[in-house]
Amino acid sequence: QVQLQPSGPGLVKPSETLSLTCAVSGDSVRNYYWSWLRQPAGKGLEWIGRVHVSGSTNYNPSLESRLTMSMDTSKNQFSLKLISVTAADTALYFCVRHGGYYFQYFDLWGRGTPVTVSA
Amino acid sequence: ESVLTQSPGTLSLSPGERATLSCRASQSVSVSYLAWYQQKPGQAPRLLIYGASDRATGIPDRFSGSGSGTDFTLTISRLEPEDFAVYYCQQYGRSPGYSFGQGTRLDMK
Repeated sequence: QVQLQPSGPGLVKPSETLSLTCAVSGDSVRNYYWSWLRQPAGKGLEWIGRVHVSGSTNYNPSLESRLTMSMDTSKNQFSLKLISVTAADTALYFCVRHGGYYFQYFDLWGRGTPVTVSA
Repeated sequence: ESVLTQSPGTLSLSPGERATLSCRASQSVSVSYLAWYQQKPGQAPRLLIYGASDRATGIPDRFSGSGSGTDFTLTISRLEPEDFAVYYCQQYGRSPGYSFGQGTRLDMK
């Protein structure tokens, strides 16, 4: 059974960097595309970006200037770094696996990890 | 950028009734690129439908998807108590790559 286990600090100060990691068990990160999404409390879902073992990354244009995603195949995990955070980055963050021939949907979700940006 | 608009915002129905949820895109979406998710309080979303009409693994056949172009529908034929949740449609396309509708809340009457 494939599982996604996110980790990272729940509290980040404004202007600092948010770093999250998603550990994958039960399958290799090499086999799929992987994304991060987020959901502010009581609101809808926003795609952040995706990463592939080839080194390919694609980011939401609204976040691209602050975002870096990477993958560590030796640890079977992928990561997100978001710099210069503000209160608007406060949300529940999900790591997900892509499904489909064109990687066009999200077929496996990790539990959300809450992030609060506050001094 | 294609925007997805879901309607209604909230739908109040009783168990056993039929639910029809709408997702309208501002630009045409390939059926291959339209998916539906269910989210219950405190949980991550769950994939229900992909390719506009294909049920994901383990999804009961009371859930069905249809549509093409700019108009898509999720139908739940006979509501079970566990179906009351928020439902999102999602598209894959050009910028920003992946986007969601604002959601439809399905409440028990």
